[in-house]
Amino acid sequence: GAVVSQHPSRVICKSGTSVKIECRSLDFQATTMFWYRQFPKQSLMLMATSNEGSKATYEQGVEKDKFLINHASLTLSTLTVTSAHPEDSSFYICSAPDSHSNQPQHFGDGTRLSIL
Amino acid sequence: GDSVTQMEGPVTLSEEAFLTINCTYTATGYPSLFWYVQYPGEGLQLLLKATKADDKGSNKGFEATYRKETTSFHLEKGSVQVSDSAVYFCALVLSYNTDKLIFGTGTRLQVFP
Repeated sequence: GAVVSQHPSRVICKSGTSVKIECRSLDFQATTMFWYRQFPKQSLMLMATSNEGSKATYEQGVEKDKFLINHASLTLSTLTVTSAHPEDSSFYICSAPDSHSNQPQHFGDGTRLSIL
Repeated sequence: GDSVTQMEGPVTLSEEAFLTINCTYTATGYPSLFWYVQYPGEGLQLLLKATKADDKGSNKGFEATYRKETTSFHLEKGSVQVSDSAVYFCALVLSYNTDKLIFGTGTRLQVFP
């Protein structure tokens, strides 16, 4: 079964709305989680590294004030797209490393965000 | 910096054809290499992996060999099926279980009956 749960799977909302996406590790603790954005032509871009109990590390070119990341516990990281606009429409995917797994990271199923 | 380069798609094949999707990498250390698959409307799934040179990863009829001398990790399958239609991502990580994955741009495979 899924070891990383991402919610919601799909969001459709009006321009100017803030949208929160949750990423939960279900049966392991994750001090670090990664947030990716997937563009229409397939490329997967790392947006930021979420760190439990401290500030997220953002990749170059990613607006910190637009994409707020909070990692308040060892099993939950949230990405909030603030004042979303149509250009923020995309597929957002989170992942979490699991030191006890033979996989480097477990991925959520992604969130399809559509801003009207 | 570290990077992964994949052949551009889409790759269009008939059922039972042979598949190759090329992947090469650039890395400062000794990475582990992966192929992920994304079926339509779904998230990423690990398809196969190799953690050191000359390792061969395999799963569901797909194979890829870690070639250090050519810095490559090409994905192959001898006979594709319609159900293999998906987007395939090559990726590397420098520090297993702790570091970020670096992805290629993805290659869309379309298999027709």
